[in-house]
Amino acid sequence: GIQVEQSPPDLILQEGANSTLRCNFSDSVNNLQWFHQNPWGQLINLFYIPSGTKQNGRLSATTVATERYSLLYISSSQTTDSGVYFCAAGGRNTDKLIFGTGTRLQVFP
Amino acid sequence: EPEVTQTPSHQVTQMGQEVILRCVPISNHLYFYWYRQILGQKVEFLVSFYNNEISEKSEIFDDQFSVERPDGSNFTLKIRSTKLEDSAMYFCASSAPWTRNTEAFFGQGTRLTVV
Repeated sequence: GIQVEQSPPDLILQEGANSTLRCNFSDSVNNLQWFHQNPWGQLINLFYIPSGTKQNGRLSATTVATERYSLLYISSSQTTDSGVYFCAAGGRNTDKLIFGTGTRLQVFP
Repeated sequence: EPEVTQTPSHQVTQMGQEVILRCVPISNHLYFYWYRQILGQKVEFLVSFYNNEISEKSEIFDDQFSVERPDGSNFTLKIRSTKLEDSAMYFCASSAPWTRNTEAFFGQGTRLTVV
């Protein structure tokens, strides 16, 4: 099955800084999603992005399917951005999403 | 905005007891899923359900687990005889019907603690 790797595992930022989170996947995907897990454990959908680029406010994401990676950009980070960011990939002929191990982001004032 | 809702948010149960976790998927979705996350680990797929039957399941989803859609709105996960290692956050998810592997939307989770 698909393997999903995320980097870096931990990221510490000061408020206002920008960051890039990376997700590598081992095979072709039909689904690629980014989630933010908040301190209460909820998984918040950020992007559904099997290919291309999307932006939502201070967040944007790019997936280059042919090179098997996706990037999540966070600009002007805020303390409320803290938490764990997961990417998850779904392959062809399967229903399931395979999650990466996440990037733990801490933003300090 | 439509959302997936799960109940209860937190459940504590004694080892060996049966538990039922409940979910109400988004109303026009037809694919339903359960995932779990052991504390500090990544989210793992358990099972997917489509057209009133299991369409895919993981190795974790053994005979102790079952899923059911008892009516037109609820989707449940039953663990027959809980073990300590079943302690985890359980997430229900649903996705739209027109094709496989469209965007999945997750509920807020049920934190199961087995003592």
